[in-house]
Amino acid sequence: DAGVIQSPRHEVTEMGQEVTLRCKPISGHDYLFWYRQTMMRGLELLIYFNNNVPIDDSGMPEDRFSAKMPNASFSTLKIQPSEPRDSAVYFCASSIDLSGFRNEQFFGPGTRLTVL
Amino acid sequence: GNSVTQMEGPVTLSEEAFLTINCTYTATGYPSLFWYVQYPGEGLQLLLKATKADDKGSNKGFEATYRKETTSFHLEKGSVQVSDSAVYFCALSDRNYGGSQGNLIFGKGTKLSVKP
Repeated sequence: DAGVIQSPRHEVTEMGQEVTLRCKPISGHDYLFWYRQTMMRGLELLIYFNNNVPIDDSGMPEDRFSAKMPNASFSTLKIQPSEPRDSAVYFCASSIDLSGFRNEQFFGPGTRLTVL
Repeated sequence: GNSVTQMEGPVTLSEEAFLTINCTYTATGYPSLFWYVQYPGEGLQLLLKATKADDKGSNKGFEATYRKETTSFHLEKGSVQVSDSAVYFCALSDRNYGGSQGNLIFGKGTKLSVKP
């Protein structure tokens, strides 16, 4: 298995532009997570999906952020309009389920976003 | 609420030194506990886990014991190598019997640097 795939790996954009991050989870995993990692705030959960349905989006910073999962093999995280404070590494992760023993999340390599 | 507290880094050790990274948690119910490792430029990957009190997780020479009485899950390794240089995250998954399973809650991470 190729693992969790994220694209692009690096994104540099200017303030005000729309940014779309993409994720392909591991086949057969029912849960998909989006995280943001910064030096100041550490690793933050933004949103997660179960069977393509958003379950908890309480970590999404504000209305500028939106996430979709149109099918079991693809998800997007969109920022519109982007701001410099959105600069971070964004990780996608997937999991078979959340029950204790099998709650292992597999992370993608991340997308490093820089908003100028 | 549920939370994880781990020792702040960075931690700098010489090769073959003994490593301890402290982790304590606060949780309702009966959480599962995890250590994740993040190598430079990569996503997080599971290092080890324990799902009930007194369980010991181990992998690659690292180990951690789930101590319910002290609500701790300290990571240890007897002899570190340069290749162990990474950021280590402690995490918990709250598990409520009869209810929905919990998501992972991560600590802020501890950066380890091992010098030759």
